Amino acid sequence: EVQLVEYGGGLVTPGGSLRLSCVGSGFTFSDPWMSWVRQAPGKGLEWVGRIKRRGDGGTAEYAAIVKDRFTISRHDSKNTLYLQMNNLKTEDTAVYYCRCDSSVIGLYWGQGTLVTVPS
Amino acid sequence: QAVVTQEPSLTVSPGGTVTLTCGSSTGAVTSGHYPYWFQQKPGQAPRTLIYDTSNKEPWTPVRFSGSLLGGKAVLTLSGAQPEDEADYYCSLLYSGPCVFGGGTKLTVL
Repeated sequence: EVQLVEYGGGLVTPGGSLRLSCVGSGFTFSDPWMSWVRQAPGKGLEWVGRIKRRGDGGTAEYAAIVKDRFTISRHDSKNTLYLQMNNLKTEDTAVYYCRCDSSVIGLYWGQGTLVTVPS
Repeated sequence: QAVVTQEPSLTVSPGGTVTLTCGSSTGAVTSGHYPYWFQQKPGQAPRTLIYDTSNKEPWTPVRFSGSLLGGKAVLTLSGAQPEDEADYYCSLLYSGPCVFGGGTKLTVL
């Protein structure tokens, strides 16, 4: 059974940093591209970025709104995807979801982790 | 950045058919935008229903289908059930960045 579980959310002051993790199981973690998507309270979904699998270069792409502040990485031997978030702003408050971007494995989503940056 | 547009809300009767659309500010939506459709119920994570315009996940009910029509991506629900009441989001790929639509709140009433 494919599972994605996010960790690391919490309360962080403006300008602070936080690292989210997403642990996958039930599939070969190194195979798919992986994405982060967020959802502010009561709002819609917003794409944060994605990382390719190592065989496709392992590079990451970002939404303009988080570029230069957020970094996506992966540690395939630990079955873990990361989202390093720096210089956090109140508008970064959201539930952050990881997603498996493989039609072969299935486009599964994690349950999300809440990041709160108070004003 | 491109803007992806969806109907804010729609209502369908139980057993009825409804069409949700997904448009792009840059012009016609094509298969090259790899349209995806997601369903989200209150308090739950999204789940993927349709990828690459019309392909279904194993868990996607048969009554959902995806297509392109009139320059937009379309999600059709035929034979709506009460459990289909949810928010539906589409996403489009723009040579790298992915953009979500604002979502459609579907009421089954």
